Amino acid sequence: NAGVTQTPKFQVLKTGQSMTLQCAQDMNHEYMSWYRQDPGMGLRLIHYSVGAGITDQGEVPNGYNVSRSTTEDFPLRLLSAAPSQTSVYFCASSPTPESEKLFFGSGTQLSVL
Amino acid sequence: ILNVEQSPQSLHVQEGDSTNFTCSFPSSNFYALHWYRWETAKSPEALFVMTLNGDEKKKGRISATLNTKEGYSYLYIKGSQPEDSATYLCAFRDNTDKLIFGTGTRLQVFP
Repeated sequence: NAGVTQTPKFQVLKTGQSMTLQCAQDMNHEYMSWYRQDPGMGLRLIHYSVGAGITDQGEVPNGYNVSRSTTEDFPLRLLSAAPSQTSVYFCASSPTPESEKLFFGSGTQLSVL
Repeated sequence: ILNVEQSPQSLHVQEGDSTNFTCSFPSSNFYALHWYRWETAKSPEALFVMTLNGDEKKKGRISATLNTKEGYSYLYIKGSQPEDSATYLCAFRDNTDKLIFGTGTRLQVFP
């Protein structure tokens, strides 16, 4: 059972480049979310989804797009990377939005030069 | 913007000491309070999810309490061990399905 799979593990971008961070889960979870982790700031919610076809903004959505065309996949797109987006990104899922614990992926370390 | 605060930011204790941390969250629109344990170079792992005022949860030497009316939760570790060294995160879920994390308490247990 793979759980939550994130790819890539590491990525270096130049300012202005675009890329997609992939997240897939094989647990049939309805709820999926993206967080970024920066020193001293904990985990901040970027976007989340309560099911296929439904997405919503979190605390820090600017500069990121998401889509949820299937239950399994929740990709995060950086449209035009900026140095401020250098961070570690975590994808997480749970069976339902209500009161269920999150299962986290292993993270993607992104550097924007 | 939801404000979830944790204190202290960091804690250093000796092996065998008992310790506790605090998580403060909005007392309105409460849905659930989560605690996670996050070891360096790993992903956060869930410890507890609490939903009812007065909830108490226990897992081995770790326990947590919840007061939704005043907006706080305590995490207790009894007889700390070096393997308990980690960052402990709490997260608050309101009725909009957002799960907002605090900045964590970093615990270091010295042998």
